[in-house]
Amino acid sequence: AQSVSQHNHHVILSEAASLELGCNYSYGGTVNLFWYVQYPGQHLQLLLKYFSGDPLVKGIKGFEAEFIKSKFSFNLRKPSVQWSDTAEYFCAVNEPDSGTYKYIFGTGTRLKVLA
Amino acid sequence: GAGVSQSPSNKVTEKGKDVELRCDPISGHTALYWYRQSLGQGLEFLIYFQGNSAPDKSGLPSDRFSAERTGGSVSTLTIQRTQQEDSAVYLCASSSGQGPEAFFGQGTRLTVV
Repeated sequence: AQSVSQHNHHVILSEAASLELGCNYSYGGTVNLFWYVQYPGQHLQLLLKYFSGDPLVKGIKGFEAEFIKSKFSFNLRKPSVQWSDTAEYFCAVNEPDSGTYKYIFGTGTRLKVLA
Repeated sequence: GAGVSQSPSNKVTEKGKDVELRCDPISGHTALYWYRQSLGQGLEFLIYFQGNSAPDKSGLPSDRFSAERTGGSVSTLTIQRTQQEDSAVYLCASSSGQGPEAFFGQGTRLTVV
């Protein structure tokens, strides 16, 4: 069965530090990849997505992610974090060839940015 | 509506009671999802509706859980004979048939006491 692993459960950074959150998935076929963010007290929002094409995807608020097919990875990066990036980040995958768009989510990474 | 709307936002119920959680998807969205978010567990898939197709119920944890979607729009998730382990935030999401990006509601926080 498809699974998504996020290895960092809690990350604490100072402002201006660089961020990289890991995401690995288990399926070897065609995948759509997503990062969602949940700010404190708010609903889940899409940060960025990858369907096809350029494996380096840029999203909102300066975030980017790189799809590396050979490593089954879709790591999230930001060169310089801000206090306002404090949130929980979820990686998600679905399989378009399956005929459904059911998402499988990772367990999430809680990021705390210290001012 | 402008976004996915869920009600109630909070629900406290006694163990053994039945509860119904409601989701109003974005108008025109054909796909609707229910997920459960427990502390430290991430988002657990429960059920997925797509148009008139049979729903994917593969994530429902027990036969106490059921969901329906009336008229291809509003959905209700029902939990019968609630247990304390059912306490979680229940999230609903919808997406258009044009692409898989899903939009989430604020969720219903269910507490079983």
